[in-house]
Amino acid sequence: SAVISQKPSRDICQRGTSLTIQCQVDSQVTMMFWYRQQPGQSLTLIATANQGSEATYESGFVIDKFPISRPNLTFSTLTVSNMSPEDSSIYLCSVGTGNRYTFGSGTRLTVV
Amino acid sequence: GESVGLHLPTLSVQEGDNSIINCAYSNSASDYFIWYKQESGKGPQFIIDIRSNMDKRQGQRVTVLLNKTVKHLSLQIAATQPGDSAVYFCAETLDTGRRALTFGSGTRLQVQP
Repeated sequence: SAVISQKPSRDICQRGTSLTIQCQVDSQVTMMFWYRQQPGQSLTLIATANQGSEATYESGFVIDKFPISRPNLTFSTLTVSNMSPEDSSIYLCSVGTGNRYTFGSGTRLTVV
Repeated sequence: GESVGLHLPTLSVQEGDNSIINCAYSNSASDYFIWYKQESGKGPQFIIDIRSNMDKRQGQRVTVLLNKTVKHLSLQIAATQPGDSAVYFCAETLDTGRRALTFGSGTRLQVQP
């Protein structure tokens, strides 16, 4: 399975600011996914990030709020923009390789 | 900070007992299903998977059962240990590896020593 390095692992941010989360994969992968896990909840897909094209966002998530970059097959970033306390969540990246999905360790974001 | 699974349904079992965690999935077209374990501060960890052409698959101390008729998935853990305490999620997808997973709501397993 691919190994994912995700950072930062946690952050406390002021409302109105932005945070960029990075995911580095140890192998080239076509599909990379970003999820949000609100406190005490399951994982919800934010978007699918493909290299060389715009990310595909799920209902309820928009590019202006969660811009994503995918400059190559081993790296992606998710930015949480203009943050409010409602954005406090764990954000996770994931990749699918063959029949196996692997997850980063997550970024625990607290907005104050 | 708040733990994963703080507000999820909880299954409490005694150490050494067998645990059964259930999940209802949403898409009848899904052809691949996975169970994940998530401990506090960590991402989901793969436990076991099953394809839609099977109804049972066994791993080490774990068994997954799939009932496509009622869109139900279960995870059985034999001889549950304190280290099994975590939140468990089922996930489904089709076109494996090319589409994202859809996660179920999750169950928190507490193992009493």
